[in-house]
Amino acid sequence: DIVMTQSPDSLAVSLGERATINCKSSQSVLYRSNNKNYLAWYQQKPGQPPKLLIYWASTRESGVPDRFSGSGSGTDFTLTISSLQAEDVAVYYCQQYYGSPITFGQGTRLEIK
Amino acid sequence: QLQLQESGPGLVKPSETLSLTCTVSGGSISSTSYYWGWIRQPPGKGLEWIANIYYSGTTFYNPSLKSRVTISLDTSKNQFSLKLTSVTAADTAVYYCARQIYNFGDYPYYFDQWGQGTLVTVSS
Repeated sequence: DIVMTQSPDSLAVSLGERATINCKSSQSVLYRSNNKNYLAWYQQKPGQPPKLLIYWASTRESGVPDRFSGSGSGTDFTLTISSLQAEDVAVYYCQQYYGSPITFGQGTRLEIK
Repeated sequence: QLQLQESGPGLVKPSETLSLTCTVSGGSISSTSYYWGWIRQPPGKGLEWIANIYYSGTTFYNPSLKSRVTISLDTSKNQFSLKLTSVTAADTAVYYCARQIYNFGDYPYYFDQWGQGTLVTVSS
C-alpha cells in the first residue's frame, strides 16, 4: 500500500496569513506516461463530508476559491491557502489514486491563531 | 445536480452484517465516466476507502476488508450497496458513499461528490 503522511498534524494560522500543509507518499504517484500526479486534496468541516479541493496535484475543482493551490510532484506535495479566511477552518486530507488500495493521509487540522 | 444519500440501520450487533445502500439522484450510475465507492471514517479519525464498483460490475476492494465486504449495484433503482460481515466495534464509523471520476483504461481517480454520511454503531 502507498502510505500518505501529512505534516503537520495540526496548524494554527492568523487570518489573512498563509497556511501550508504537506503530504508525502511512500512511493511516487507520478505516472510517467501522462506526466500526471495521482494526488487529490480534500477539506472536511465538522459534521460534513469531505469536499474535493484539488486533483492531479494542482488542478483546482470548479468553485474552489483561488486562494487554494496545490503543488509538488513525485512523492512530495503541498496544499497552500494564500490568505486564510475564517471559513477555512477544517481538517484537510490528501489522497493518492495511483494504485489500489486508494489511501488517504491522516489529516491536518487547521485552526485560527 | 447530483445527490447521493446513504441509508441503512444505525445500529448493528457484533458479529452481524452491516448493510447500507446509496441512492443516487440527478445522475445515472450507468455512466461510463464514474465509479461508485464507499469510504468510512471512525469517530474522530481519518478516512478509509472500502470498495468501489463500475456500472459493468467491475469492483475493487481494500485488501484490509476484502474478506468481509461485498459491493453491488442495482441500475434499475440507481443504487449501489455495501455489505460488511462479522462486524466488531472497530467497524463503528460514519460511512460515506461517493462518486469517483474514471477514465476508461485507467484506475478510478478522486472522489468529486459525496453523500452526507451515515453513522453506524456496532454494539450489543
